[in-house]
Amino acid sequence: QKEVEQNSGPLSVPEGAIASLNCTYSDRGSQSFFWYRQYSGKSPELIMFIYSNGDKEDGRFTAQLNKASQYVSLLIRDSQPSDSATYLCAANTGNQFYFGTGTSLTVIP
Amino acid sequence: DAGVTQSPTHLIKTRGQQVTLRCSPKSGHDTVSWYQQALGQGPQFIFQYYEEEERQRGNFPDRFSGHQFPNYSSELNVNALLLGDSALYLCASSASGRPRYNEQFFGPGTRLTVL
Repeated sequence: QKEVEQNSGPLSVPEGAIASLNCTYSDRGSQSFFWYRQYSGKSPELIMFIYSNGDKEDGRFTAQLNKASQYVSLLIRDSQPSDSATYLCAANTGNQFYFGTGTSLTVIP
Repeated sequence: DAGVTQSPTHLIKTRGQQVTLRCSPKSGHDTVSWYQQALGQGPQFIFQYYEEEERQRGNFPDRFSGHQFPNYSSELNVNALLLGDSALYLCASSASGRPRYNEQFFGPGTRLTVL
């Protein structure tokens, strides 16, 4: 069974700190990986995706992929209270996305 | 640029009834996927439609069916509703011309409550 695992949290960080969110996946055939942010009662919003080993930066966000370890992470620099949300990791295999259960992040002012 | 739209926003049904949910993809997208998200869980893949055909299906019973129209919009139908079908139903669209990246963008969702 293809699975994506995330630490459900909650993860709390002070404003201005770096938040680190982690994800592992079981299917080595997964081709690309996505991070979504979901506010309570809302739909997921795409933050960024990554498909090559290494780091990918977009503003305050950095995604990291290690295919050998089947590990994906998201770093949020200079965390803001508005970053408080659930972060979903997803793995794309063929035409299907597999989502983790999400990590709840709270940024404390 | 219009994003993904879904209707209705909320829906209340009783057990045994049937429901139809609708989705219009983001401009330029031709592929629609449907997900079910229970409270506290990640979205679970129901199926994906491309070129008016079901291209892939997740682990959902045949009570869940769908359709895609020539304008790429899509419907999700659920028959014989069960209490456990209560969830947020999400539609996501993507462009077939970007198979490696395959970014999916979600609509606002339809909150279905089965009583």
